[in-house]
Parts: sequence; structure tokens; C-alpha cells
Amino acid sequence: QSVLTQPPSASGTPGQRVTISCSGSNSNIGSNYVSWYQQLPGTAPKLLISRNSQRPSGVPDRFSGSKSGTSASLAISGLRSEDEAGYYCAAWDDSLSGHVFGSGTKVTVL
Amino acid sequence: EVLLEESGGDWEQPGGSLRLSCAASIFTFSAYAMSWVRQAPGKGLELVSVISGSGDNTYYGDSVKGRFTISRDNAKKAVYLQMRGLRAEDTATYYCARLSGPFYSDYVSFDSWGQGTLVTVSS
Repeated sequence: QSVLTQPPSASGTPGQRVTISCSGSNSNIGSNYVSWYQQLPGTAPKLLISRNSQRPSGVPDRFSGSKSGTSASLAISGLRSEDEAGYYCAAWDDSLSGHVFGSGTKVTVL
Repeated sequence: EVLLEESGGDWEQPGGSLRLSCAASIFTFSAYAMSWVRQAPGKGLELVSVISGSGDNTYYGDSVKGRFTISRDNAKKAVYLQMRGLRAEDTATYYCARLSGPFYSDYVSFDSWGQGTLVTVSS
């Protein structure tokens, strides 16, 4: 059972905006940075967002991250078929002194 | 481009041992902490272990503490995971991932990943 809770699935049609939530607590999201990872089918994860909202070079600006209190969100605007993937949040947890990953959300493009 | 290539994954019986390796094509390898993250079949990601850029500091997830040992050889640009006392629940794809700084702390992220190596533990 993951410390960070994500909805198992999300979906949208091409062009739509999809938002994925990541819920934690004061010991993780509430006091530390959140990062997001995309895992395309059959491939390794890829860093999508670091430090709550920073996009690494090469990540399209359709992807954006935000944080409020003990929750974080990843938004995908202008949804495309190639965005169909698993998405994971992660954050440092003070009680563990290490990172924890969210349970993961599978995004389906209808 | 950062390239990480894992090897050493195999089938092993419960109680056995395996050693995973990760070869990196990073010029300043010692400037980055490195980690192992695993993913059981059809499941999510789990942080296994982290080692600082110098190798002086390590972190282990509770599920592997006392059984797994992480190490690195900066001259060879490689990081290793020695796994002992393997259990069925260790069955997973193990990814080598670079952290975005030399130290393991709250502000780093896992910024480059290898393709993974499969470990299967079964009798």
C-alpha cells in the first residue's frame, strides 16, 4: 500500500485536459518537493516534473505540475495518443528519510 | 545523453543471491547519487536503495534492509546491488536510476533511468 495515493485510472479524448492527483501527508508532500514520472507501455520511467513544477529539457509544456498543502497534481493539456501511459508521483518522506512513490495512474486516451 | 545499462537479472531460488550491475556513460559519474528502483509485475515503483556520489552514504528501503547492499565504483562508472536472502516478493524489474545531485535528500529527483533487468525468485 503506497504512502502517496493516486487514482488508478484517468481518461480523456484527444485535445482534452486531464488532471491526476497525488495525495499525501505533512511528512511527505506537505513539506517536501514532488516529482512526476511517465512510464510508457513496456518502457522505463521518465522524469516529467521535478521540484513540484519544473519541466526538464525536452518535456513538452503540455505537462504541468502543482502542489497545494498535502496534495499535488499533474495536468496534461491538449491530450495526445502518445500520452497514454502510467504516471507516478514521488516525494521525500521525513519519517522514512527517503522517497516514496505514488500508487500510479494509468491514463487512457479515448 | 545519459545512458544507464543494467545487467545481472536472472532466475534464482528463494534464499539465493544475485548481483546486479549498472554501467553508466556519464562523464562526471561521481557527481551524482545513484539508485535502484524496482517494479513488481503489474505493480508500481518502489525505491530499493540509494548511494551518494562519493559512496559514503547509503539508503535502503525497509523491505530490503539487511539483505541487499549497494555499492559503486566511480573509476568504472558502475553501481551494483548485491542481493542476498532472496524472497518471492523480490521478483521485479530492477531499474538503475540517476539522482539529480551528489547527495540523497528531499530536493533530488530520479532524472535518468536504465531499461531495467528482470529478477525472478521462484522455486
